[in-house]
Amino acid sequence: DQQVKQNSPSLSVQEGRISILNCDYTNSMFDYFLWYKKYPAEGPTFLISISSIKDKNEDGRFTVFLNKSAKHLSLHIVPSQPGDSAVYFCAASSDNYGQNFVFGPGTRLSVLP
Amino acid sequence: GAVVSQHPSRVICKSGTSVKIECRSLDFQATTMFWYRQFPKQSLMLMATSNEGSKATYEQGVEKDKFLINHASLTLSTLTVTSAHPEDSSFYICSARSGGLYEQYFGPGTRLTVT
Repeated sequence: DQQVKQNSPSLSVQEGRISILNCDYTNSMFDYFLWYKKYPAEGPTFLISISSIKDKNEDGRFTVFLNKSAKHLSLHIVPSQPGDSAVYFCAASSDNYGQNFVFGPGTRLSVLP
Repeated sequence: GAVVSQHPSRVICKSGTSVKIECRSLDFQATTMFWYRQFPKQSLMLMATSNEGSKATYEQGVEKDKFLINHASLTLSTLTVTSAHPEDSSFYICSARSGGLYEQYFGPGTRLTVT
């Protein structure tokens, strides 16, 4: 049973527009969430995080929104750039998991010039 | 800061041999290190968690006698794939975390091919 879901395996966006990547989770005990970006044949790179006490966290072009009641989070990238083309993973954690993370399956973002 | 290296980046070995992969935190002390495996077009699957100086905790379904993990110091963890088989071919990624921080910092990964 997948506890962290990213229902869109891929997404294409025009350069300069907004990219919205979605993530849903089923375990209400999750209280910390991260987004990672991964290029082929490389390890993931940490992008941005949010704890359950917040509903929004912003860092430059990246903003993460958390809707706890819906068990949903989203990553907004604006404006999107071709270099943003990568696979994006959301990950969730709670102390009940020993602070280990459960990763979603990833969404491949393609930003078209 | 928070750089994690892995060595080797690629390795090809013959079936039945053992392969060791090193994971190092270069500019911080990693109290906890994680080993993941990624199959093509799939997510990262956590294999095991290791805390410095203690035995690794393996996820369900991961053979601890096949995937030997050693976390001998605060900057080094090793994963040894013993008696490798072609089905062990995969992309192995380590990550490291310092103290009570949530963020994990990932290494660049090691592509293992078993022929």
